[in-house]
This record gives sequence, C-alpha cells and structure tokens, in this order.
Amino acid sequence: GAVVSQHPSRVICKSGTSVKIECRSLDFQATTMFWYRQFPKQSLMLMATSNEGSKATYEQGVEKDKFLINHASLTLSTLTVTSAHPEDSSFYICSARRILNTEAFFGQGTRLTVV
Amino acid sequence: QQPVQSPQAVILREGEDAVINCSSSKALYSVHWYRQKHGEAPVFLMILLKGGEQKGHEKISASFNEKKQQSSLYLTASQLSYSGTYFCGTEMSRNSGYALNFGKGTSLLVTP
Repeated sequence: GAVVSQHPSRVICKSGTSVKIECRSLDFQATTMFWYRQFPKQSLMLMATSNEGSKATYEQGVEKDKFLINHASLTLSTLTVTSAHPEDSSFYICSARRILNTEAFFGQGTRLTVV
Repeated sequence: QQPVQSPQAVILREGEDAVINCSSSKALYSVHWYRQKHGEAPVFLMILLKGGEQKGHEKISASFNEKKQQSSLYLTASQLSYSGTYFCGTEMSRNSGYALNFGKGTSLLVTP
C-alpha cells in the first residue's frame, strides 16, 4: 500500500508554544488530507479536511486559529497547534488519499504532550 | 456526522465468526472499513461505494445496503491476528465537499 509519513511521532512542548506536525504522502499525490484527533481507546475525531491549494474545511467545534492547517503541495500537509495548552495533549493522526472513491492511508500519528 | 457502530466490543474464540455493523441516518457516499491495533495507525480493509455492493478478501467481507445507510463487516473463522479495533468511516456529500468521519469503533478480541 501507499506510504504516509507523519513527523514527529512524539513531541513535548511547553504551554503557550506552538508545534508543527507534518504529514507527507511519500509515493503518491494526495489531493485530500484529513486530520484527526484520537483520545485513548476512543474514535478518530475528524478535525479538518484539506484539499491541495485551498483552505481547509474545519469541523464544528474545531478552532481554526488554534489548529492551523496548510496543504501547500500534493504531498505535504501541516497542522500547527498554536499557543498549546495541556488540554491540547492528544494523539493527532493524518490520512491522505489520491482522489475521491479511493482508500485513505494513515500516518503513524503524533503524540503531543503539553506541559 | 459520526456513524453509529455496534457492538462496542466482541470477544471471540479462534475460529468463530463476528459481524460489526455501521449505520447512518442519511444516505452515504461511501463506507470505508479499517482495523487499528494498539499503538499503530489504522489499516485499510475495504471501501464500498454502491448500494447493494458486497466485497470480500479472504475471510473478511463487507456489505453496503441498497439505501446506502448501513454497512456490515463480516469476519469468518476468526484468527488471533484479527484482534484490534475496527472502525467504519463514512462519507456524505456536503457543500464543502466530502469528509471521512469514523464511528466509535468496535474492539475485537480473539482468544485461543
């Protein structure tokens, strides 16, 4: 299957700082990338959908100014958690797909801890 | 809009069968099934696009009903490696495009 690389896998940051997470499709061009947040033993909560070259579509309740998403190219999307607080600590995971009607491939996820 | 998944958890003996259901109150564009093992990324199993479609791979298959509001995943003659959490992902058409939302997951444990 296709490979999606997510970096970093783990990050610890101080409260008030910003953290950038990268999601790369290594062997295919992804027109759409999805960003999820997953709490322990819970489901994948969709945060936003990003299409290359256009603004991300955020789900209800997700703060656009806090979770900045950029999909600058067909192989890279970034999620920046701005002014992080301890309640932002979570597992963030991205997925990418070539086009509609095809499977989405997941990155390995990023464990964010805000202290 | 999150699909409703059932059951929440299943414990099977090796060789037994299981069915996991996924439903939505509105017609779906597609249904995706994934399996996630602890500490790992979800792995794609299959995607269904058409009402009435059935698809399978070895001993894991899935169906999508005619109204495209309900899908089931069938695990037959379960193996230890089937253990994990199964998620259905659903897509609906909306003004801003398509979004892939997941159910709460079904935890499956296969015991020897």
